[in-house]
Amino acid sequence: NAGVTQTPKFQVLKTGQSMTLQCAQDMNHEYMSWYRQDPGMGLRLIHYSVGAGITDQGEVPNGYNVSRSTTEDFPLRLLSAAPSQTSVYFCASSYTSSDTQYFGPGTRLTVL
Amino acid sequence: KQEVTQIPAALSVPEGENLVLNCSFTDSAIYNLQWFRQDPGKGLTSLLLIQSSQREQTSGRLNASLDKSSGRSTLYIAASQPGDSATYLCAVKSGGGADGLTFGKGTHLIIQP
Repeated sequence: NAGVTQTPKFQVLKTGQSMTLQCAQDMNHEYMSWYRQDPGMGLRLIHYSVGAGITDQGEVPNGYNVSRSTTEDFPLRLLSAAPSQTSVYFCASSYTSSDTQYFGPGTRLTVL
Repeated sequence: KQEVTQIPAALSVPEGENLVLNCSFTDSAIYNLQWFRQDPGKGLTSLLLIQSSQREQTSGRLNASLDKSSGRSTLYIAASQPGDSATYLCAVKSGGGADGLTFGKGTHLIIQP
């Protein structure tokens, strides 16, 4: 199993550009989530999904969109990038929200 | 709102020592608590998950305890090794809903050879 994969590993954007961070898992997990990690702060939940076709907002959802068309994939879209979105983004998956969470390697995003 | 605090923020000890990392949380109505390890530039690796009904979990040289009523958890690392150097994160799952984990800021651990 590849586990949780994320692409790209690094990305530089200009303010106002849009992009999609990809996340995929091959463990047949129903629950997937996105976090951002900023210096001096704990990881914060952006969006989550309990299964295909179902998504919900976390603690810091503004400026981000998600969709879940398949069990395997959970992309995160930045509609109009802002410098405040400079961060490291982690995708995680698990069987349910209460089970052990498996994290991807992260995407380091810089917005200029 | 749940808040998770980890003390100390950083710790440096000689190889071979036993050590304890601390985690506290403000709302005792948790579902479970997880300890993660994060190496520089990498993702998080789950070490131990303790359900709210459990008092402790063990994996190899690691032992995690949970005192839900006092809002505390400890991660005990026995016979530390340089390979244990990493940032250790504590995360709490509050309630039975589908929302995610609340993380502490982590303890940066250095084991001196």
